[in-house]
Amino acid sequence: SYVLTQPPSLSVAPGQTARIPCGANNIETKSVHWYRQRPGQAPVMVIYYDSDRPSGIPARLSGSNSGNTATLTISRVEAGDEADYYCQVWDSSNHHYVFGGGTKVTVL
Amino acid sequence: QLQLQESDPRLMKPSETLSLTCTVSDDSISDISYYWGWIRQSPGGDLEWIGNIYYTGSSSYNPSLKSRVTISVDTSKKQFSLNLNSVTAADTAVYYCARLSMVRGMGGAFDLWGQGTVVTVS
Repeated sequence: SYVLTQPPSLSVAPGQTARIPCGANNIETKSVHWYRQRPGQAPVMVIYYDSDRPSGIPARLSGSNSGNTATLTISRVEAGDEADYYCQVWDSSNHHYVFGGGTKVTVL
Repeated sequence: QLQLQESDPRLMKPSETLSLTCTVSDDSISDISYYWGWIRQSPGGDLEWIGNIYYTGSSSYNPSLKSRVTISVDTSKKQFSLNLNSVTAADTAVYYCARLSMVRGMGGAFDLWGQGTVVTVS
């Protein structure tokens, strides 16, 4: 089955840039979606189809997808960005939806 | 604003059948652009897709759970439901219902989630 690999954790200082990778074989051929989950809350979609932002999500969040890595970038990190972030794709070979293991972003 | 609401938390014993319902707050359950899905999150934080259903009743399931899962839809009640039989401790999780947007085809995103309901098997 198709496996999405994310680092378990990432720490970043306020005002800096956080880059969260999601690695998989030839992921650039797939559409990647990203979710943010704050403590005690349900996941919220923050990026869809690699780089589109839903309404209400600030432009500080952006996405890219190339080669074997998709990346969620959070610019000018704020305390409110502290959360778990998950990537997700459709595995067309096995006909199911796959999530990465999640990355916990800590704002120092 | 559209909302999804799962049924109440459950405390279950091994071998029982889990039944959950998700209520959609408007008529979009019959919208051709959306599927309706169930996703669970283990105590360790891993998200696992369980399955989806379309308003016509067409469904698809995670191969790892397919033998134990049934998802159904009742558009008149604006609800879709999950049945998972022969539960074990490994099925302990927070269960989310979610809307899957298919406006660009099968590789869609879960663009709206319920608040989740806790299921404990012990």
